[in-house]
Amino acid sequence: DVKVTQSSRYLVKRTGEKVFLECVQDMDHENMFWYRQDPGLGLRLIYFSYDVKMKEKGDIPEGYSVSREKKERFSLILESASTNQTSMYLCASGLSWQPQHFGDGTRLSIL
Amino acid sequence: RKEVEQDPGPFNVPEGATVAFNCTYSNSASQSFFWYRQDCRKEPKLLMSVYSSGNEDGRFTAQLNRASQYISLLIRDSKLSDSATYLCVVFTSGGSYIPTFGRGTSLIVHP
Repeated sequence: DVKVTQSSRYLVKRTGEKVFLECVQDMDHENMFWYRQDPGLGLRLIYFSYDVKMKEKGDIPEGYSVSREKKERFSLILESASTNQTSMYLCASGLSWQPQHFGDGTRLSIL
Repeated sequence: RKEVEQDPGPFNVPEGATVAFNCTYSNSASQSFFWYRQDCRKEPKLLMSVYSSGNEDGRFTAQLNRASQYISLLIRDSKLSDSATYLCVVFTSGGSYIPTFGRGTSLIVHP
């Protein structure tokens, strides 16, 4: 069965910390995506990657960076976490530009 | 104006009812369209693609109206298990082929 795995289901960090969210997919997909989902705002694209070491900004990249050193792994980095980055973060992967499979999500709280 | 808009609902319907949701998009250059389903506290899952000619998958029918710039999802003979949030996704080519999610429409099917 296809799998997109996010490293943590729940995470609590402090303001100013550097936070890493990891995502691994086992489907050999070219494209990987990071979204955040907030009540009333829906899913918003932060960054996506269409190949190793390639990345593109989504709708809300400010305060985030990403890393794609290997095809199967796409990391989201909060350089200096702030309380407005408290959210549900969802990773997805797909063969095409369509996010076909999502991970379970990481509920991140910044205190 | 948001690029992709959905009525958040909730749509409250009895089992066996037929229910339809619309999703409007603002960019006439949008090219591909999909419906996802998201259960409470779960990740989104691809439900079906939306083709220009319309397409059907069991009790679900998806249609595209390019002239009026909306897509629709029709669910016949609603089941309790259809209760979920339904997200539409629109792809628009403009440099990168970035998907935009609607905020979702909540459906509650009651006995």
